[in-house]
Amino acid sequence: AQSVTQPDIHITVSEGASLELRCNYSYGATPYLFWYVQSPGQGLQLLLKYFSGDTLVQGIKGFEAEFKRSQSSFNLRKPSVHWSDAAEYFCAVYGQNFVFGPGTRLSVLP
Amino acid sequence: GAVVSQHPSWVICKSGTSVKIECRSLDFQATTMFWYRQFPKQSLMLMATSNEGSKATYEQGVEKDKFLINHASLTLSTLTVTSAHPEDSSFYICSARWGNEKLFFGSGTQLSVL
Repeated sequence: AQSVTQPDIHITVSEGASLELRCNYSYGATPYLFWYVQSPGQGLQLLLKYFSGDTLVQGIKGFEAEFKRSQSSFNLRKPSVHWSDAAEYFCAVYGQNFVFGPGTRLSVLP
Repeated sequence: GAVVSQHPSWVICKSGTSVKIECRSLDFQATTMFWYRQFPKQSLMLMATSNEGSKATYEQGVEKDKFLINHASLTLSTLTVTSAHPEDSSFYICSARWGNEKLFFGSGTQLSVL
């Protein structure tokens, strides 16, 4: 069975600081991997996805993620966080079906 | 932790028939539920937002008469694909909001229309 973990429930960073949100998955093959963001009162927005090819994926809003097969990880990064990045972030895996992680809430300090 | 149950996980139907998908919040009351659709190698597309006791709010381009959403209780929302056709074949997933913040997802339904 496939699963997704996001070890950090809540992360707080200062504006301008770098960010890394962790995501680990369990699946027998290479799944499709996604990062979504949900801002308060909004629906899900896709930040980026990985299907195959280059393991470093660029997304919208300055986000990137790196697929590491050996670690079964797909961590999301951003070099400089903006206050508008405060939201909840979900890692998702699509193998046999779609599985979302529990989410990481990001707070940004001014 | 909170659990959202989505049923069925897989359904195959003939063209012209209707299919109902259920989304239940098992241990919390969900004032808002969301329905998404995913095409192969695409991201999730929000179809509608469903609030308990009121009509669903559909996203632009989603046919209200085709995709009937009912949110009759705080723990159950249903999506009915009416007169399904092969182009409706897709992966449908629901999510339920707990309070004002936390969002939980169902496991999805793969619909195949023959």
